Amino acid sequence: DAMVIQNPRYQVTQFGKPVTLSCSQTLNHNVMYWYQQKSSQAPKLLFHYYDKDFNNEADTPDNFQSRRPNTSFCFLDIRSPGLGDAAMYLCATSGQGAWEKLFFGSGTQLSVL
Amino acid sequence: AQKVTQAQTEISVVEKEDVTLDCVYETRDTTYYLFWYKQPPSGELVFLIRRNSFDEQNEISGRYSWNFQKSTSSFNFTITASQVVDSAVYFCALSEAAQGAQKLVFGQGTRLTINP
Repeated sequence: DAMVIQNPRYQVTQFGKPVTLSCSQTLNHNVMYWYQQKSSQAPKLLFHYYDKDFNNEADTPDNFQSRRPNTSFCFLDIRSPGLGDAAMYLCATSGQGAWEKLFFGSGTQLSVL
Repeated sequence: AQKVTQAQTEISVVEKEDVTLDCVYETRDTTYYLFWYKQPPSGELVFLIRRNSFDEQNEISGRYSWNFQKSTSSFNFTITASQVVDSAVYFCALSEAAQGAQKLVFGQGTRLTINP
């Protein structure tokens, strides 16, 4: 059974139209991450939550926001998607610490028209 | 700054051949963690193995084996008797601590294709 679930699998939005991607986990992990992966590139960390503490990467555009209403759910909001935001968005969870392995969801492929 | 280099962008072999994926890393930390993840066409990254900087013992898991050498800053991955199901993109990653969590620095990935 999937432990990190992302919905939807594919999302199409229009240029400038806000979009929200969702992620849920059944692992009860403290940490949830959002990665952006463009075609043929490595995943790039956007931000993470350690419990309720939000940690933004320095180079993550302001256009990207996140919410974590409870332990199980985390959302990625893109306020005004541009063509360059088309990518696979991967959610992951882990326990606390640099040793922990990440559990990834299957991702949401975002297209911007 | 931490960096991971996977020099092989793509590898294509015939089934049952052995194949080695190279990974070289850079870090100034004395304590660090290395990982390999597999990304099949379905998109989900799957954890394969992790190593901490104090454990240079090589590991074998079925057809998979890993060679960690601090002297050359390498953490190479070998698949023995490859199978079509091994076709995927493989990422090597270095972990650094970040506010109770971790930040994975990924290599660019190696796309492995196993042909029947």
